[in-house]
Amino acid sequence: GENVEQHPSTLSVQEGDSAVIKCTYSDSASNYFPWYKQELGKGPQLIIDIRSNVGEKKDQRIAVTLNKTAKHFSLHITETQPEDSAVYFCAATLGNFNKFYFGSGTKLNVKP
Amino acid sequence: DVKVTQSSRYLVKRTGEKVFLECVQDMDHENMFWYRQDPGLGLRLIYFSYDVKMKEKGDIPEGYSVSREKKERFSLILESASTNQTSMYLCASAGTVSETQYFGPGTRLLVL
Repeated sequence: GENVEQHPSTLSVQEGDSAVIKCTYSDSASNYFPWYKQELGKGPQLIIDIRSNVGEKKDQRIAVTLNKTAKHFSLHITETQPEDSAVYFCAATLGNFNKFYFGSGTKLNVKP
Repeated sequence: DVKVTQSSRYLVKRTGEKVFLECVQDMDHENMFWYRQDPGLGLRLIYFSYDVKMKEKGDIPEGYSVSREKKERFSLILESASTNQTSMYLCASAGTVSETQYFGPGTRLLVL
């Protein structure tokens, strides 16, 4: 089955700096890659996603890039703010019945 | 907006008790999922359902069962709770294949 690895497990940045979180996947048939943000005490919330026919997608300060050849995708957050502090999860899916394979999560701390 | 609700935010149960966790979604989604979330392990799929009365085992189904009698409701059952089932339980729902999953706020279960 699919295997998703996520790095780093923790990331600390200064407010205003950029943050990058990387994920690799094993199954080249995976075709949808969402990113979730989980704040303390809450369920994961989708923040951005990308499909396998697209190389990059942006939404304000957040962007995701996908390299299908290397089988990795990354989340980029620019101009980080304290409210960006949370745990971020990547996921990959082959599309069959929506079974998602999640990374182990990255705890992002943005220092004011 | 998609809304996924879970019956309890916090639960404390004793070893051997039967535990019911309920999840309701309001978007007429076909697919529903139960995950458990543990530190360092990310989200692990317990069971999922792609239609009423249909269920499929996920990656860690042992010690759990599920019920889906109505499209909007998906229940997770711990037949005889054990201390190693202390965890955060997350419910999610999704529409057609490859559409993203929407999560509830989670239930933090403590088994004593």
